[in-house]
Amino acid sequence: GAGVSQSPRYKVAKRGQDVALRCDPISGHVSLFWYQQALGQGPEFLTYFQNEAQLDKSGLPSDRFFAERPEGSVSTLKIQRTQQEDSAVYLCASSLDRGYNSPLHFGNGTRLTVT
Amino acid sequence: DAKTTQPPSMDCAEGRAANLPCNHSTISGNEYVYWYRQIHSQGPQYIIHGLKNNETNEMASLIITEDRKSSTLILPHATLRDTAVYYCIVRDTGGFKTIFGAGTRLFVKA
Repeated sequence: GAGVSQSPRYKVAKRGQDVALRCDPISGHVSLFWYQQALGQGPEFLTYFQNEAQLDKSGLPSDRFFAERPEGSVSTLKIQRTQQEDSAVYLCASSLDRGYNSPLHFGNGTRLTVT
Repeated sequence: DAKTTQPPSMDCAEGRAANLPCNHSTISGNEYVYWYRQIHSQGPQYIIHGLKNNETNEMASLIITEDRKSSTLILPHATLRDTAVYYCIVRDTGGFKTIFGAGTRLFVKA
């Protein structure tokens, strides 16, 4: 498909486990964003990439959260030593360029449940 | 913090126009207004955006006031499938974040 693809769609982790969430952006999109969405809330910004460069990671809630986009396309969000408060939907979005006239296109997210 | 204010919920009758308001009184001159919607269990879907002129596409119309301090998203003929949370967002020109607020939950009723 031509949209943003995220995998897995659902992930259940035991507290303390590490998880890795994958995002395949739309081909050719320069900008990539990660968001965290708690139940009943709007998405909360986590981090932003322009190509392979992580230009803003101010939204990452702790040093257990790490994101990478080594070749400027696929991105991975890694959460180490998961905690129950990490349970949320993790959304990835991409946009064609970094301009403010460029809409974000979202994937359907990964729902993480930490037990 | 989000730069926009929206009512938490609205109702609309099927087939009627849905008019969703948004207040963005602190918007800067080169900041765009974006609208997204989110249907349960899906990611947010882009609807429309604008800077100062009114915009229309196949999904909706966006009316921005002359002073740019508020805008209205218009769904001309709402259907049951338009039931969703609608987010009005101002893109932050000082950085790369797109900050979402709580949005408006639109219920379209038969």
